[in-house]
Order: sequence, then C-alpha cells, then structure tokens
Amino acid sequence: KQEVTQIPAALSVPEGENLVLNCSFTDSAIYNLQWFRQDPGKGLTSLLLIQSSQREQTSGRLNASLDKSSGRSTLYIAASQPGDSATYLCAVLKRSNYKLTFGKGTLLTVNP
Amino acid sequence: DGGITQSPKYLFRKEGQNVTLSCEQNLNHDAMYWYRQDPGQGLRLIYYSQIVNDFQKGDIAEGYSVSREKKESFPLTVTSAQKNPTAFYLCASSFQELSGNTIYFGEGSWLTVV
Repeated sequence: KQEVTQIPAALSVPEGENLVLNCSFTDSAIYNLQWFRQDPGKGLTSLLLIQSSQREQTSGRLNASLDKSSGRSTLYIAASQPGDSATYLCAVLKRSNYKLTFGKGTLLTVNP
Repeated sequence: DGGITQSPKYLFRKEGQNVTLSCEQNLNHDAMYWYRQDPGQGLRLIYYSQIVNDFQKGDIAEGYSVSREKKESFPLTVTSAQKNPTAFYLCASSFQELSGNTIYFGEGSWLTVV
C-alpha cells in the first residue's frame, strides 16, 4: 500500500526566507507526483506536476524535485512571502491502479 | 470561466437523514472524483467515475452513493449508514489520462451532523 509522508507537519518562517518542504513515498512505481496548495476552508490548487521520468519542475519561485528511486520529493520556495501561507500537500499517482495518494500536508506560515 | 462548482458550501445533517452534495464541472473532463478530508488528514478517495454511467468505489465508499448520468455532474449522497459524516468534501475532475494531466478541485463542501 502506498503511503505518503510530509515533513514537517508545520513550519513558520520570517518573510524573505528560502524554505524546503519534504515529501516521501513508499512505492516508487508511480506515474507522477504533484504538489498542491490549499488555503483554509478551500479546495486544492495544483502547483507543480512532475512526471516519473523528470527530475524537477519550476514555476516562478517554486521548484519541485523528484528522486523516484529513493521515494522523495522536495518543494523549494524562494524568497517566501506572507501570501505563501497555506497548507501544501503532495500526492503520487500509482501505476498499478491510477489512484492518487495524498500526504497530510505541511502547514506553512510566513510571518511579515 | 471553466471550473468545478460544489454546492452547498455548508450543510447540516440530522441523524438518520440522507443528504446530497452537488458537483458540476464545465471543463469537459471525463473523470470525476469525490474525496473526504478530515482535520489534519490527507484526502481519502470515496468514489470516482471515468466515464458516464460508470463509477468505482474508492477507499472509503461505505455509507456513500453516487451517480454519473451526465458528463458534467457527479453528485454524492451521504446516507444515514455513514456513521461519522462530519468532514470537508472535495469534488475533483481530470481528463481520463490522469498520468499526463493534472487534477482540478472544487472549493469543497462542509458537512456537519447536528
């Protein structure tokens, strides 16, 4: 059974700091990995999708890497802003059943 | 604008009642999904449908039912058999080939048992 773990569960940083969020998964037979953002009481917004054949994806101040063999992904946020405060979730799409498995998320607070 | 619309945003259910959550999408997506999210937890899949008139149970389907009569619509009924229905419910959709496409989410519906 695929399990996805996100560390840390919560993170508080001052504005302007660069930070890294971690995601690990137990089964490396995946199609892709996605990072999502969730604001309180809202739905999820896709940030980055990394195919299993890719090593990283970038969008603006966000960079996501994928090391499939070790079952790890990181989301790097550069020059953090208060508007980045949200919960960040990662999810992996398993090859055998086309199902997305989500981590519990990291609650990020960026203090002005 | 294209997107996924969930309604109602907030819903209260009395013991023994069935309630239905609506989900409509105008993204021309083939596949639709229902997830449940409990505080501090990841999303868990309830049901999904890859094509009209067909749907599959997810990981926590007991106490829930769905229908897929139209491509745009995938309503979820929370039945009285669901013993702990208080949660945040999220509807999502994607093109059928999820391996190459991202998944889009609605804004969610809060269900509370009173």
